[in-house]
Amino acid sequence: TQLLEQSPQFLSIQEGENLTVYCNSSSVFSSLQWYRQEPGEGPVLLVTVVTGGEVKKLKRLTFQFGDARKDSSLHITAAQPGDTGLYLCAGPNAGKSTFGDGTTLTVKP
Amino acid sequence: GAVVSQHPSWVICKSGTSVKIECRSLDFQATTMFWYRQFPKQSLMLMATSNEGSKATYEQGVEKDKFLINHASLTLSTLTVTSAHPEDSSFYICSGTSGRVTFFGPGTRLTVL
Repeated sequence: TQLLEQSPQFLSIQEGENLTVYCNSSSVFSSLQWYRQEPGEGPVLLVTVVTGGEVKKLKRLTFQFGDARKDSSLHITAAQPGDTGLYLCAGPNAGKSTFGDGTTLTVKP
Repeated sequence: GAVVSQHPSWVICKSGTSVKIECRSLDFQATTMFWYRQFPKQSLMLMATSNEGSKATYEQGVEKDKFLINHASLTLSTLTVTSAHPEDSSFYICSGTSGRVTFFGPGTRLTVL
């Protein structure tokens, strides 16, 4: 059973569109991280959310942690081709990081 | 943020040979490091937890005799793929945790011919 479920798995949009990626779980997490990974590189940390209901903004990216700390979302406004990549959510689980399946985002110019 | 490096960044080897991949935490000490394998367009799959000064803990289905892990210091963990075969070709990524956050190395692309 996957602890963290991400949706959608694949997303292809035009430049300028908005999008939201979801990360859901039946388990409570003390924190959740969002990473972006480009082909041939390791994941790069975007943000950590810790408090239920927390909202963090990183330029055009808005991250939200659910009130019950079981889910999180990533919203991108006016997507650009440079946003293309694999987006991963992750949370601590028994001393390890458990990952969602990832969302592959392609932004077409 | 904290930095994790990996060496080599890519390696091509013949079937049957062994390959060693190094993972270093450059600006923090990591008593625990993690090794992942990633296939194209898929998420990271945890292979093992590397513990400084003790044996690694392997995930179910991962052969400990094939993927040898050594964590000899607080800043270095190594993964050796022994008798590599084409099905071992993958992207191998390590990570270390500083505080609450996990930082990843840039990955090593292994291609076994």
